[in-house]
Amino acid sequence: EVQLVESGGGLIQPGGSLRLSCAASGFSVSSNYMSWVRQAPGKGLEWVSVIYTGGNTYYADSVKGRFTISRDNSKNTLYLQMDSLRVDDTAVYYCARDVYCGGGTCYSYYWGQGTRVTVSS
Amino acid sequence: QSALTQPASVSGSPGQSITISCTGTSSDVGGYKYVSWYQQHPGKAPKLMIYDVSDRPSGVSNRFSGSKSGNTASLTISGLQAEDEADYYCSSYTSSNTWVFGGGTKLTVL
Repeated sequence: EVQLVESGGGLIQPGGSLRLSCAASGFSVSSNYMSWVRQAPGKGLEWVSVIYTGGNTYYADSVKGRFTISRDNSKNTLYLQMDSLRVDDTAVYYCARDVYCGGGTCYSYYWGQGTRVTVSS
Repeated sequence: QSALTQPASVSGSPGQSITISCTGTSSDVGGYKYVSWYQQHPGKAPKLMIYDVSDRPSGVSNRFSGSKSGNTASLTISGLQAEDEADYYCSSYTSSNTWVFGGGTKLTVL
């Protein structure tokens, strides 16, 4: 059974750093495209980042240069390192396993339950 | 990257059909067949309902269908049921190798 369990969220002051983890089971993170998507309170979904099987990474303009997506194949875990956090980074952060692939891209299909990040002084 | 444009809300009665539009640009919706739709119930993770404009993942009801014309994609739900009441988001691949979501549409089943 595919499972994704996020952790690492919490309350952090503006300018601080946080690392989110997404522990995967039932599949290998290294063999799948993996994504992070966030949702601010009462707002819509916002795509954050993706890491491809080959290691290529891509970011939304809103987080580029501040966030870093990575994975640890030995721990079968996906990470999101978030630096220089801002108030508008406050959101529930979901990790997702991307499947239904074609043409070099895939769709987020399996989702975790999310971890809440609050950036506030 | 600007969010795709969706109506804030739509409504319909049980058994009826509704359509939700999703308008982007030639750099996203209009330029690729990589458009998807997600359903999200309150407090839950999103669920993929449509991918590649019009394909359904295994297990998704055939009451859900997708299409695209130019820079606008559409999700149609036929035979509305109470459990269809949720928020719906479109998403598109972009020319920057990123993804962009729509602002979301709240579907109310009257």
